[in-house]
Amino acid sequence: SYELIQPPSVSGSPGQTASITCSGDKLGDKYASWYQQKPGQSPVLVIYQDNKRPSGIPERFSGSNSGNTATLTISGTQAVDEADYYCQAWDSSTVVFGGGTRLTVL
Amino acid sequence: QVQLVQSGAEEKKPGASVKVSCKASGYTFTRHAIHWVRQAPGQRLEWMGWINTGDGNTKCSQNLQGRVTITRDTSANTAYMELSSLRSEDTSMYYCTCSVAGLDAFDFWGQGTMVTVSS
Repeated sequence: SYELIQPPSVSGSPGQTASITCSGDKLGDKYASWYQQKPGQSPVLVIYQDNKRPSGIPERFSGSNSGNTATLTISGTQAVDEADYYCQAWDSSTVVFGGGTRLTVL
Repeated sequence: QVQLVQSGAEEKKPGASVKVSCKASGYTFTRHAIHWVRQAPGQRLEWMGWINTGDGNTKCSQNLQGRVTITRDTSANTAYMELSSLRSEDTSMYYCTCSVAGLDAFDFWGQGTMVTVSS
């Protein structure tokens, strides 16, 4: 079955750029989405179709997807961005989530 | 506004079944599929399956070995997820979600339903 691999954790300082990767076989041929989840809350969509932001998501969130890797980039990281982030893609009419990455803002 | 409102927390014994509901409002229910996703405490999101709310067709994760059944009641704008032969490993938060804006992603989520399986 299809797998999406994420690093378990990423850390960054406030104001710096944080990048979270998501790897999967020929992931660049699919659309990647990204979700933010804070403790005790439902996930929130932050990036869809590789690099688009839903309304209400700050411009500091951006995405890219090419080859085998999709990347979520948070420019000018803020304390409020500390959360778990999950990538997601479709494969053969099923949905696949990555294992999640905890972003710590130091 | 779009809302997905789920039923309340459940406690079940091993071997039992649980049925969780997800009532949709703020959009045309039959135009957008509803998916079910679960998350064990401290663990990753796990996709369970989805239902075409228009024709009732479903597709479920093979990882659940046929234990999950997803249905819908169009007159009540509600989708249901039933999980049978419960085990302690099924203790999780269960979410319904959908893609209303056609984004190829899940833009609306229910508040989650905690299911605890314990003897």
